[in-house]
Amino acid sequence: LAKTTQPISMDSYEGQEVNITCSHNNIATNDYITWYQQFPSQGPRFIIQGYKTKVTNEVASLFIPADRKSSTLSLPRVSLSDTAVYYCLIFSGGYNKLIFGAGTRLAVHP
Amino acid sequence: ETGVTQSPTHLIKTRGQQVTLRCSSQSGHNTVSWYQQALGQGPQFIFQYYREEENGRGNFPPRFSGLQFPNYSSELNVNALELDDSALYLCASSSTDSLPDEQYFGPGTRLTVT
Repeated sequence: LAKTTQPISMDSYEGQEVNITCSHNNIATNDYITWYQQFPSQGPRFIIQGYKTKVTNEVASLFIPADRKSSTLSLPRVSLSDTAVYYCLIFSGGYNKLIFGAGTRLAVHP
Repeated sequence: ETGVTQSPTHLIKTRGQQVTLRCSSQSGHNTVSWYQQALGQGPQFIFQYYREEENGRGNFPPRFSGLQFPNYSSELNVNALELDDSALYLCASSSTDSLPDEQYFGPGTRLTVT
């Protein structure tokens, strides 16, 4: 199973772009990269998934270089409500078991 | 569309007791997974149910057991509670028709074992 490494915490200010990078050196050919967001006292929420290059949705963008050994979640113009824990996961298919690490605690300041 | 709901919200039990947590999956979802989240950590996979059968299990002892009902709702049962079982228990539902790693989580049940 591919292991992920991401910063423990990050700080930002309202209106800035935030980039959270995740390392996954032993990602397998068929693995997907998935990001979840979790607010205090709530369950995690699916943000975005990608396999290679760039994926964008209404919430975030996900950048994956050609070697796929890392990925970067980009949150444009963050607001206070983006303060949360962000988890990078590697999904290996099969049944839907999600393996969460400790995540990155993002704090957005006024 | 109704999201994933869990009951109760909070629960306090004594060591050695048994507890049952309940989960109603999102409409149209046929798969339910349970996770345990200790304070300050990411969720840990307990097991998953698909069509009323266990479809995968994480590194949890047999005293953690579950059920899925024909309406796809689910129960998590924990016997012989230990202090370390204190955690947030999350239920997540998903559908075989959607992305395999896109799961919809409920708000969780906060279990405290004293």
